[in-house]
Amino acid sequence: NAGVTQTPKFRVLKTGQSMTLLCAQDMNHEYMYWYRQDPGMGLRLIHYSVGEGTTAKGEVPDGYNVSRLKKQNFLLGLESAAPSQTSVYFCASSSSGRADIQYFGAGTRLSVL
Amino acid sequence: DAKTTQPPSMDCAEGRAANLPCNHSTISGNEYVYWYRQIHSQGPQYIIHGLKNNETNEMASLIITEDRKSSTLILPHATLRDTAVYYCIVRVDKAAGNKLTFGGGTRVLVKP
Repeated sequence: NAGVTQTPKFRVLKTGQSMTLLCAQDMNHEYMYWYRQDPGMGLRLIHYSVGEGTTAKGEVPDGYNVSRLKKQNFLLGLESAAPSQTSVYFCASSSSGRADIQYFGAGTRLSVL
Repeated sequence: DAKTTQPPSMDCAEGRAANLPCNHSTISGNEYVYWYRQIHSQGPQYIIHGLKNNETNEMASLIITEDRKSSTLILPHATLRDTAVYYCIVRVDKAAGNKLTFGGGTRVLVKP
């Protein structure tokens, strides 16, 4: 039981490049989330999904897109990376009955030069 | 969600109990108190939560004052692996799709 797995773990991009972060969970959770964490700060919600085929904006959605084509996967895309998107990205999942108890992945460290 | 206040940092001796305070004086009747922690370079980890009764699990104990305006997370026998940032979060439970709001947290250093 791997829990929440994020790939890649590290990535360096140049400004304007695009990339997709993958999150996979094996707990059959309905809800999935993408957060970002900047140095010395708490986590901020980017987008979330309450089920396959559905997504919703969080508090900092600009510059990101997401897709939830399969229940176990939640993809975060950056179409045109900017230095302001340098951050650590965390994916999380929870059951629909317990959105308050979230299980997090190990994070993806992204640098945009 | 109610705002929480935690001390920015604290040290604890290995093997001793660590008592982490959290103030949430504006908590409302349907809001729970949650504790998560984040070990360096890892994702946050759920620890425990409660409404008004004291709670205990294999990781920690949660003591909530009778007026619910503050709480204390207790790590009964701190180990070096408990060094982490501990976050106290107040929110309505089970709300669909709601984010977790992580404030500054308390940076706990367990020393040998």
